Amino acid sequence: KAGVTQTPRYLIKTRGQQVTLSCSPISGHRSVSWYQQTPGQGLQFLFEYFSETQRNKGNFPGRFSGRQFSNSRSEMNVSTLELGDSALYLCASSLAGGQTQYFGPGTRLLVL
Amino acid sequence: KNQVEQSPQSLIILEGKNCTLQCNYTVSPFSNLRWYKQDTGRGPVSLTIMTFSENTKSNGRYTATLDADTKQSSLHITASQLSDSASYICVVSQENSGNTPLVFGKGTRLSVIA
Repeated sequence: KAGVTQTPRYLIKTRGQQVTLSCSPISGHRSVSWYQQTPGQGLQFLFEYFSETQRNKGNFPGRFSGRQFSNSRSEMNVSTLELGDSALYLCASSLAGGQTQYFGPGTRLLVL
Repeated sequence: KNQVEQSPQSLIILEGKNCTLQCNYTVSPFSNLRWYKQDTGRGPVSLTIMTFSENTKSNGRYTATLDADTKQSSLHITASQLSDSASYICVVSQENSGNTPLVFGKGTRLSVIA
């Protein structure tokens, strides 16, 4: 069974640009969560999608948004990038919320 | 405030030795506690998950304990191997939570040396 995949793996952007990251969950998993990981803050929860609906949201500004498609694949968008957005963005899937999450390898974003 | 504190921040041990990582939390109401292992450059991988009624769970050389009364958990690694070098993250799930269902610790960075 294929694991969680994320694309792209690495990305370099400049301030003010926007970026879209993609996540394909494990087949059959309907819950997809997004996290931001930085050396200073550790893992921080962005949002969770379940059956195409945002079910939970962390404390991030509105520049961070996401969506989930009918096949459970999810995208995360960050607009008007700031230097502080440089981080590893991790996606995790589970059968349903609250169960064991399986993480993807992450997308490393560098904002210059 | 819901928080998860892990200690030590980093740890270096010799191959073959045992070690114990600590996790203290203030998350309430408590649903479950998970330990993840994250290798450098990779996503976290689940090691154990424990609910309120469980006080110990093993996964090979990894044994997690949970004391729900004192809100403490530990991860014990037996006979460490070089491949155990990673960050170990403690995550606590809040029951019937609103916007932040999982609270993450900042992790313990373990280095196993020969």
